[in-house]
Amino acid sequence: RKEVEQDPGPFNVPEGATVAFNCTYSNSASQSFFWYRQDCRKEPKLLMSVYSSGNEDGRFTAQLNRASQYISLLIRDSKLSDSATYLCVVTYTGGGNKLTFGTGTQLKVEL
Amino acid sequence: NAGVMQNPRHLVRRRGQEARLRCSPMKGHSHVYWYRQLPEEGLKFMVYLQKENIIDESGMPKERFSAEFPKEGPSILRIQQVVRGDSAAYFCASSPSRAMNTEAFFGQGTRLTVV
Repeated sequence: RKEVEQDPGPFNVPEGATVAFNCTYSNSASQSFFWYRQDCRKEPKLLMSVYSSGNEDGRFTAQLNRASQYISLLIRDSKLSDSATYLCVVTYTGGGNKLTFGTGTQLKVEL
Repeated sequence: NAGVMQNPRHLVRRRGQEARLRCSPMKGHSHVYWYRQLPEEGLKFMVYLQKENIIDESGMPKERFSAEFPKEGPSILRIQQVVRGDSAAYFCASSPSRAMNTEAFFGQGTRLTVV
């Protein structure tokens, strides 16, 4: 079983749609959680951290459920520029800032 | 303040040659992480270094791969006797500390092609 699992997609949605991505992690020692965005053939970039209380940044909302070991990302009012691969990322106790990546979920926003 | 700089951006090597990938962290960052992304796969951790020290090399293949981060100069990921399966994008990230909630900044990566 992979440490961080995501639906690979692709998710093809029209502009303006709301789309949700899910992620599960297997190691209960996971400590910090993030969503990264990776454009085609580019480096990953931090989108947002994820907290148990949930957090929102504009059109993006992230949620963490430690009991279920589940992380989600909601994108409202999708834009063409949101097309990318979204990576679920965790760090573990004692691992420092070493990141464990999911394989990513591809999003394509269409006209 | 320049970001994380990796060079070369693209590297082509014949099977059996050596590949050297360089990473200069952001100014003030002393923690460097190397990741590999194979085609159609996610990023996988390789090695974590702090100046002159390897902290965690649990993701490094046992043979042919080595990494260093000298007191002066960039971090180097070295692959000896490359094989086709080494073709991948290699990303370097740096952070100012090892704290888990400290953002790691990624370089643009080196795309290695072994022919």
